[in-house]
Formats: sequence, C-alpha cells, structure tokens
Amino acid sequence: KNEVEQSPQNLTAQEGEFITINCSYSVGISALHWLQQHPGGGIVSLFMLSSGKKKHGRLIATINIQEKHSSLHITASHPRDSAVYICAVRNSGNTPLVFGKGTRLSVIA
Amino acid sequence: DAGVIQSPRHEVTEMGQEVTLRCKPISGHDYLFWYRQTMMRGLELLIYFNNNVPIDDSGMPEDRFSAKMPNASFSTLKIQPSEPRDSAVYFCASSLRRQETQYFGPGTRLLVL
Repeated sequence: KNEVEQSPQNLTAQEGEFITINCSYSVGISALHWLQQHPGGGIVSLFMLSSGKKKHGRLIATINIQEKHSSLHITASHPRDSAVYICAVRNSGNTPLVFGKGTRLSVIA
Repeated sequence: DAGVIQSPRHEVTEMGQEVTLRCKPISGHDYLFWYRQTMMRGLELLIYFNNNVPIDDSGMPEDRFSAKMPNASFSTLKIQPSEPRDSAVYFCASSLRRQETQYFGPGTRLLVL
C-alpha cells in the first residue's frame, strides 16, 4: 500500500507570501490529485497530474515521478486560500485513491 | 448542473439506530464513490460503483455498513446498527471516468451519541 506523507501539517502565512506544500509517496503511481477542503467542509478538486506541471490562476502543482514527490505552490497568498490541502495518489488504474492527512493553511491579512 | 447532492447535511442519532445517507451524483457520471473523513484517519474510500455496480468495497469497515446504487442517479450508504465510532463526515463523489477528476458532494456530518 502506498504511504502518502504531507508536509507541513500546519502552516500560517502572511498575506502575499509564496506558499509551498509538499507530498511524498512510497510507491510508483499513475496519478496524483490535489484537493482543497474549505473551513465549511466542502472539498474541491484542484489538480490531477501524472507528470510535469499544471497551473491554474495562482496555484501551481508539480510532480517529480523519479523522486516520488509533488508540490503545490500558491503565489501571492490571500486569506481566502485558508483551507486544508489534501494530496491523494492512485497506484494503478483500478486501485483506490490513498490520501495524505492534509496540510492546514491559514493566511493572515 | 447542481453538482453532487447529499442528504441529510447533518445527522445526530443514538447508538444502535439505523442511519441512511443519500447521494445523487452528477448526471452522466459513471463512477460514484463513498468516502469517510475523521480527524484521526483523514479521508478513506469506503466503496465505489461503476455503472451502478459495486466494484471495490474493501474499504467498508464491517458488516454494519452497506451501500447500494439502485439506479444511475441515486445511491445510499446505510449503517445498522450505528456506533459512536462511526461519527465522521461522509462524502459522496462522482466522476465521468475512473481516472478523471472526482466531484465531491458537501458531505453528511454524522454524530452517533
């Protein structure tokens, strides 16, 4: 079974700071997801990637398959970015997602 | 589209009672997933369906849990009898295909006293 580790567990940043959240996994994967869970509990899928980099607005997700590592970056952070960010991986086509414990981000104005 | 719809949004019950959680996936999505989220264990997949057929239920904790999908637009997750350790947020999600983005419902927050 894949072990998914996220770091840091908690992160507090000032508005405008550049933020990086890391995700490492133990076994080769077919896909990696980044999810955002708002304080109200709703979950939104941010990215799904299997190689390289994806960008959406101020969010950038990268993955290094050889190092079994992915990062989620937030540029020019804003208080509305405050949420729990969850990394999830799939080993191969039909195996279920394995989730990290999440990183709780608080952005202070 | 209204997105994935779950009901109820909150449920408080006493141990031993039967609990039924409901989910309506996004129209046209072939895959439906049930997840449970707790502080201790994070998000866990319980079961998923493809075209209304259960594919993998290895995440279902025990026989007290059962899930059905009688048609493409409706699924239920039932706990009978419920126990305090079942207290969690239960999410339903759907996707067009197995490997594609999953869209999550708002979740049902369950508290078993």
